[in-house]
Amino acid sequence: GESVGLHLPTLSVQEGDNSIINCAYSNSASDYFIWYKQESGKGPQFIIDIRSNMDKRQGQRVTVLLNKTVKHLSLQIAATQPGDSAVYFCAENPLGGYNKLIFGAGTRLAVHP
Amino acid sequence: DAGITQSPRHKVTETGTPVTLRCHQTENHRYMYWYRQDPGHGLRLIHYSYGVKDTDKGEVSDGYSVSRSKTEDFLLTLESATSSQTSVYFCAISEGTGEQYFGPGTRLTVT
Repeated sequence: GESVGLHLPTLSVQEGDNSIINCAYSNSASDYFIWYKQESGKGPQFIIDIRSNMDKRQGQRVTVLLNKTVKHLSLQIAATQPGDSAVYFCAENPLGGYNKLIFGAGTRLAVHP
Repeated sequence: DAGITQSPRHKVTETGTPVTLRCHQTENHRYMYWYRQDPGHGLRLIHYSYGVKDTDKGEVSDGYSVSRSKTEDFLLTLESATSSQTSVYFCAISEGTGEQYFGPGTRLTVT
């Protein structure tokens, strides 16, 4: 499949543990943030998003936390499963709106049985 | 892949030749996007469209042009391919309220 990054930071976790993937964003003007998951050879898949008027948003087994003071975003995955193994990207909208997103390079999550 | 197809899925071409990649959607979404993905850079926006015949440049638009004559199709053209355009290209669609849905990608190699 397509290689999304040869030297990505990697987070290794045991199956069943909780995972926390961090993302530092660059622009204090950004008011929309989004997380994607990309499995090898596939296109990015939407996980969850959050707007700057919120600090926390929960989905199914995932939670996104936003700390605007330090420009930090995190994705928490509960009870990590082997199927969660993938590269995870965050994105922000420094120019406002939803069209010109800036994506981070990503973090590889490796889940071990 | 949210009703998005890309063609071709793989292409090898020579430097200086024109190349057109096609994105087709069945979701009737207004917005369509072309990204490239390279190791260490994440996804970078090339061009996007906000309606038929309405397009705008992204972060890395030099050397690329786009066209959208129908809601469902968004074409990306490399007028004269260069080796620096070797990449994986992703199309995405959106209703304009946030999340974008991505296609399966096209791997382009320029030799």
